Amino acid sequence: DADVTQTPRNRITKTGKRIMLECSQTKGHDRMYWYRQDPGLGLRLIYYSFDVKDINKGEISDGYSVSRQAQAKFSLSLESAIPNQTALYFCATSDLDGANYGYTFGSGTRLTVV
Amino acid sequence: QKEVEQDPGPLSVPEGAIVSLNCTYSNSAFQYFMWYRQYSRKGPELLMYTYSSGNKEDGRFTAQVDKSSKYISLFIRDSQPSDSATYLCAMSGFGNEKLTFGTGTRLTIIP
Repeated sequence: DADVTQTPRNRITKTGKRIMLECSQTKGHDRMYWYRQDPGLGLRLIYYSFDVKDINKGEISDGYSVSRQAQAKFSLSLESAIPNQTALYFCATSDLDGANYGYTFGSGTRLTVV
Repeated sequence: QKEVEQDPGPLSVPEGAIVSLNCTYSNSAFQYFMWYRQYSRKGPELLMYTYSSGNKEDGRFTAQVDKSSKYISLFIRDSQPSDSATYLCAMSGFGNEKLTFGTGTRLTIIP
């Protein structure tokens, strides 16, 4: 099994619908992150959590919310999806030194909002 | 201006060539430098990690950091079609809690 698992892998949804993307990890890491990736814009941080009781906004949090249900689970919600939220979404994890030694990424969720 | 600049490419080179990928940065506090490789429809995976200045070699890959110029490079020797991917640089410094990523360079190795 993958260290960081994202579900679903692909999703098409309609404008205005609520959608949840899920992430689970077996790395035992405390820190988890949600990014979106768009062509030409690279990875942009949406939200991050340094432990179960900690939630922080990233650079593009508007229109998104998160829930850290357990150390191993971090979900991302789009409350009312819009077409410009069409993107590739990645969950990542790290230990306390993640900024110094790197993150582990999931395989991504390709989301299309029509 | 972004903290980390990376030419998005695309870059196409023939098989066997030496590939040079580069990033520049503006934050002099950056001390930790990484290169990620991302295959199509996959998540980024950590390829190389370097602390401070100098070179690090791993097989066909060499990571180079020049802090005086705020410039990092990844060299790929004897490039193979399997090296075709997007390469992202990432970095952080003392007191940084998160990585700062470049936008990625898309590389294609032509057989």
